[in-house]
Amino acid sequence: LAKTTQPISMDSYEGQEVNITCSHNNIATNDYITWYQQFPSQGPRFIIQGYKTKVTNEVASLFIPADRKSSTLSLPRVSLSDTAVYYCLVGDIPGTYKYIFGTGTRLKVLA
Amino acid sequence: DTAVSQTPKYLVTQMGNDKSIKCEQNLGHDTMYWYKQDSKKFLKIMFSYNNKELIINETVPNRFSPKSPDKAHLNLHINSLELGDSAVYFCASSPLGSNSPLHFGNGTRLTVT
Repeated sequence: LAKTTQPISMDSYEGQEVNITCSHNNIATNDYITWYQQFPSQGPRFIIQGYKTKVTNEVASLFIPADRKSSTLSLPRVSLSDTAVYYCLVGDIPGTYKYIFGTGTRLKVLA
Repeated sequence: DTAVSQTPKYLVTQMGNDKSIKCEQNLGHDTMYWYKQDSKKFLKIMFSYNNKELIINETVPNRFSPKSPDKAHLNLHINSLELGDSAVYFCASSPLGSNSPLHFGNGTRLTVT
């Protein structure tokens, strides 16, 4: 199972673009990269998932280089309500449905 | 419509008691999970069930016993509660297959005094 490494915390200001990078050097061929967002007192919420290149949805973009050893979650024009913990997950142990969360990145958006 | 719902939201109890947390999902998913989030905010998987069958028991004390009466429900029963069991417990579900996104409930905050 590929281990992920993310920055522990980041600060940003409202209106800025925020990029959170996740390292996953041992990613397996079949692994997808999935990002979750967790607000205080809530469960994690799926944001975006990708396999390679770029994926965009109404919430975020996910950039994955050709070697797939890292990925970057991009949040455009953040607002105070984007203050949350962001987790990067890579695949699972095949057949076990064992998804392991890392420490996540605590994003604080300042006014 | 709540996709993954847990009850109760808060649970305060004394050491030694037995308590249960219920979880239901209306997404039609085959796989359900229990995660524990401690005071340091680490999310650790406890159990996963696929179509009512236990897939993962992640070195959880046998005081914790999950029960899945059908694939839409996964309840967690805890015997002889200890102070260290205080945490937020999250239920989640996902479709069958690797890399399937998880859908979480809003958690049950358990406080053992």
